[in-house]
Amino acid sequence: EPEVTQTPSHQVTQMGQEVILRCVPISNHLYFYWYRQILGQKVEFLVSFYNNEISEKSEIFDDQFSVERPDGSNFTLKIRSTKLEDSAMYFCASSESVYTEAFFGQGTRLTVV
Amino acid sequence: AQSVAQPEDQVNVAEGNPLTVKCTYSVSGNPYLFWYVQYPNRGLQFLLKYITGDNLVKGSYGFEAEFNKSQTSFHLKKPSALVSDSALYFCAVRDPTAGGGNKLTFGTGTQLKVEL
Repeated sequence: EPEVTQTPSHQVTQMGQEVILRCVPISNHLYFYWYRQILGQKVEFLVSFYNNEISEKSEIFDDQFSVERPDGSNFTLKIRSTKLEDSAMYFCASSESVYTEAFFGQGTRLTVV
Repeated sequence: AQSVAQPEDQVNVAEGNPLTVKCTYSVSGNPYLFWYVQYPNRGLQFLLKYITGDNLVKGSYGFEAEFNKSQTSFHLKKPSALVSDSALYFCAVRDPTAGGGNKLTFGTGTQLKVEL
C-alpha cells in the first residue's frame, strides 16, 4: 500500500540552527501539506502546496518557514532559525484531490535545545 | 472559520461493549468530515470520511460514523470495542467553500481506552 514517508524520524537541533524536514508524498497525489503537533496538543495546520506553490498557510507559518518541492518526489519543510517553541512532531500529508482524504506520514519529532 | 469540538478528553469502555466518540463541527458551507486514529509514536491513520451521500459511513476496522446536519455532529461508533482499539482519535473538518489549500482543522482528540 502506498504511503507517505518522512525523514528523519527524530531530529535534535540547537536553537538558531536551520533544519530541513523531508517527505516523499504518495506518487499520484497532487496536494501536499505540513502539520505539526506540539506534545499533548492538537494537530495544527501549517501549510498546503499545490501546483508548485503555496495555496494556503496558517499564522504559524511565518517567514522562518518555507516549503519546497525540489524534484518530482520530495517535499521539504525548512525552518531557518529554530526556536525552542518549534519543538513538536511535524507531519507531512498528501491527498489526491480536494474530495479525498489526506494520508499522513509517521512524523518527524523535532527537538530544539 | 471552521472548527471542531471533541468534548471528551477520554472515553473508557469495556471490551465487547459499543463505543461512541463524539464530534461536533462548525463550517460555513457543507462540511467534509474525517476521523483519524493515532497510536503511540505513530502518524495519523485515516479511518473514514463523509463527503456527501448516506449519512452513515463505514470505515476501517469496523468503525462507522453518522453525519447529522441538524446537530452538526459526526460521532464515531463501533458496535463492539476491542482492546486494540485503544488509541487517540481525532475528528477533522474541511470546508470546501473556504477556498485556499483544503486544510483540515482537527479537534483536540479523544483518548479511547478499552479494558478487558
